[in-house]
Amino acid sequence: QLQLVESGGGLVKPGGSLRLSCAASGFTFSDYYMSWIRQAPGKGLEWVSYISSSGSTMGYADSVKGRFTISRDNAKNSLYLQMNSLRAEDTALYYCATDRGAVVGDYFDSWGQGTLVTVSS
Amino acid sequence: QSALTQPPSASGSPGQSVTISCTGTSSDVGAYNYVSWYQQHPGKAPKLMIYEVSKRPSGVPDRFSGSKSGNTASLTVSGLQAEDEADYYCTSYTGSNNLVFGGGTKLTVL
Repeated sequence: QLQLVESGGGLVKPGGSLRLSCAASGFTFSDYYMSWIRQAPGKGLEWVSYISSSGSTMGYADSVKGRFTISRDNAKNSLYLQMNSLRAEDTALYYCATDRGAVVGDYFDSWGQGTLVTVSS
Repeated sequence: QSALTQPPSASGSPGQSVTISCTGTSSDVGAYNYVSWYQQHPGKAPKLMIYEVSKRPSGVPDRFSGSKSGNTASLTVSGLQAEDEADYYCTSYTGSNNLVFGGGTKLTVL
């Protein structure tokens, strides 16, 4: 049974940092591209970042480029999102998801339950 | 990259069919057959319903179908059931390892 479990969310002040984690199980993690997708309270979905299966290639939405860094540890079956210079508009539920198909973001067929990040003074 | 345009709401009675549109541009929806649709119930994670315009993952009822014409993709739910009431989001590849989501549509089963 494929499972994704996010952690690391919490309350942080503007300008602060936070590191999210996503623990994967039930599948060969090192074979899969992965993405982070977020959802602000009461709002729609926004793709944040992707990373290739080997970790050699990554990409970011313009809204987080230069502030967020995605990484993975295939030996630990874990995905990470280092978030720096956080802003109020980064407040959201952050999901990790398996990124499948022919291109990045073709489709996300498994999702975690999300971890909430709140940026507020 | 601007979000894809979806109607904020849609509705239908049980047994009826409803179609939700997702309008983009010639740089995203119109350029690629990488449109997917997600269903999200309140407090739950999104669930993949349609990928690559019209493909249905195993386990998704065949009442759900997808199509595309020009810059507009569509999700049709036939034989509406109470459990179909949810938010629906489309997404499209935009090139250069980037993608965009639609703003979401709240489907109400009357």
